[in-house]
Amino acid sequence: QVQLQESGPGLVEPSGTLSLTCAVSDDSISSNYWWSWVRQPPGKGLEWIAEIYQSGTTNYNPSLKSRVTIALDKSKKHLSLELHSVTAADTALYYCARHIPGAYRGFAYWGQGTLVTVSS
Amino acid sequence: DIVLTQSPGTLSLSPGERATLSCRASQSVSNNYFAWYQQRPGQAPRLLIYGASNRATGIPDRFSGSGSGTDFTLTISRLEPEDFAVYHCQHYGSPPLYTFGQGTKLEIK
Repeated sequence: QVQLQESGPGLVEPSGTLSLTCAVSDDSISSNYWWSWVRQPPGKGLEWIAEIYQSGTTNYNPSLKSRVTIALDKSKKHLSLELHSVTAADTALYYCARHIPGAYRGFAYWGQGTLVTVSS
Repeated sequence: DIVLTQSPGTLSLSPGERATLSCRASQSVSNNYFAWYQQRPGQAPRLLIYGASNRATGIPDRFSGSGSGTDFTLTISRLEPEDFAVYHCQHYGSPPLYTFGQGTKLEIK
């Protein structure tokens, strides 16, 4: 089964940009799947950030849309996320996920997550 | 926006007992787009149920999902020690596109 591995700086300064990548272990990144980023503030619930289809079609959480970019690099087999103008409220565990195939919409496979702290 | 409200917030049961977890949507939603996840401490969420009642690959048959409209239920027929975790419901549809409930913590009594 596919393995997902997030990576990125664990600490970002306020007003800076959070940049994360998610390495995909197999060639499913070029297949008909949606891919997402989901975050979880410490001790809190899950929040969906953005999704991208293998064709490049994207959708964003309206609450974050003005600050977020999601991208897919098939040649490198990775998914990326950029979140601009971060504040302490963006401190969270960030997960990448591959969706359930077909008409169902949910998250079948998850990475282990990477903790990002926004602090000076 | 659709809001998913899970109840109870915490459920205390013993191994071998039956667990019933609820998720209520603020308006009627499609079964096809409803899912449940398990999250053990320090781990990523794991997909249990999709399409309201379909078990994901490798999920034991003691887990079952049901419901429609605004009321959905996750049932664990006989609790095993590894089932004590946080459970999240999730829906796809209205903005923000994917919505999660706040979670139910299933703890050992």
